[in-house]
This record gives sequence, C-alpha cells and structure tokens, in this order.
Amino acid sequence: EDQVTQSPEALRLQEGESSSLNCSYTVSGLRGLFWYRQDPGKGPEFLFTLYSAGEEKEKERLKATLTKKESFLHITAPKPEDSATYLCAVQALNYGGSQGNLIFGKGTKLSVKP
Amino acid sequence: DGGITQSPKYLFRKEGQNVTLSCEQNLNHDAMYWYRQDPGQGLRLIYYSQIVNDFQKGDIAEGYSVSREKKESFPLTVTSAQKNPTAFYLCASSITGRPEAFFGQGTRLTVV
Repeated sequence: EDQVTQSPEALRLQEGESSSLNCSYTVSGLRGLFWYRQDPGKGPEFLFTLYSAGEEKEKERLKATLTKKESFLHITAPKPEDSATYLCAVQALNYGGSQGNLIFGKGTKLSVKP
Repeated sequence: DGGITQSPKYLFRKEGQNVTLSCEQNLNHDAMYWYRQDPGQGLRLIYYSQIVNDFQKGDIAEGYSVSREKKESFPLTVTSAQKNPTAFYLCASSITGRPEAFFGQGTRLTVV
C-alpha cells in the first residue's frame, strides 16, 4: 500500500535555527513528490516538485531534496513568517495522465519563535 | 488574477440536509479534485474529474456527489448519507500532463 509518513509532527525553532523536516514514502514507483505549505484555515500552497533521487529544489530559505525512500525539507535561518504546516505528497507511477491523485502525509507543524 | 475560488468559506448544515460546495477555476485546467481534511489526518481524495462530463470516485466518495458540466466548475454535494461531514473541504485543479495540483482556500463545513 502506498504510504507517506512525515516527521516530526510538530517542530519548534528559534528564529535563525536551521533544521529539516522528513517525508518518508512507500510507493510502487514514484512519479513525483510534492511539498506544500499550509497556513491555518487556508488551502495548501504549492512549493516544490521532485521527480528523481538526487534532485534538489530551492526557494528562499527552503531546500527540498529527494532520495529513493525519503525527502527532506531543509529550512535555513527560519523566520517567524515561515511558521506553517508543511505537507508532503506523492504520486505513484501507476496513475496515468495528469490527475493529481496525490497521497498526502499528515504534515509537520512548524513554529518559529522570534 | 487566475485562481481557484471556493465558496462559501464557512458553511453550517443541519443534520439530514444536503449542501453544495462551490468550486470555480479560471486557470483553464482540465482536471479538478475534491479533498477532505480532518485534524491529524492527511488530505483524502473524494472525487476527481479529468474532463467535462466525466468524474471518478476517490478514496472516500460515499455520501458525496459531484458534477462537471463546465470546465470551470466542479461543485461538491455533501448528502445526508455522509455520516461525519464536519471537515475542511479543499478543491484543486491541475494542468493536463503535469501532476502538480493547485488548491483553493477551502470551505469549512460544520454540522449543527
């Protein structure tokens, strides 16, 4: 069964304290892995797509990496405005076309204190 | 600006009533989806549609119905058969040939 597990469930950081969020996955052939940011009461905001092991993507203080079993979202020198829940999702190769039949993890709630 | 609009933002329903959640997109995306989000759980797929007049059940379709009469619109009806409808409902869309889904701002449904 395809599955996505995110850890930790919650993470508290001081401003400027770098850290990483983990997304481990079990899928019958990975088509893509996706990171989203979700603020309270809002819809998820797309951040990154990773397709193959070794791939990296960066956006401001965020960097996403991918291996054959997991992905990391590295946060460098975070600021309070980075506080949000970060969601990881995967799409398996057995899905054809473009339909986003994504399998989501439960998310990591990040809090950055000034 | 292009985007996905969900309405209303908050919705209250009495037990036994059907309610319809609206989702409109002006991104010219072919595919549209409905997800449900509950506290402490990942998003779960209710229904999806890749083309007008066609849709498929997702993982938790029981108690829900959809229609896709126009490319821009994908309304979700929560029927009285849905046992536990209180949740945050998210609509999304994607471009044909690309897997990334883009989300609306959600509708929070509460049964009173």
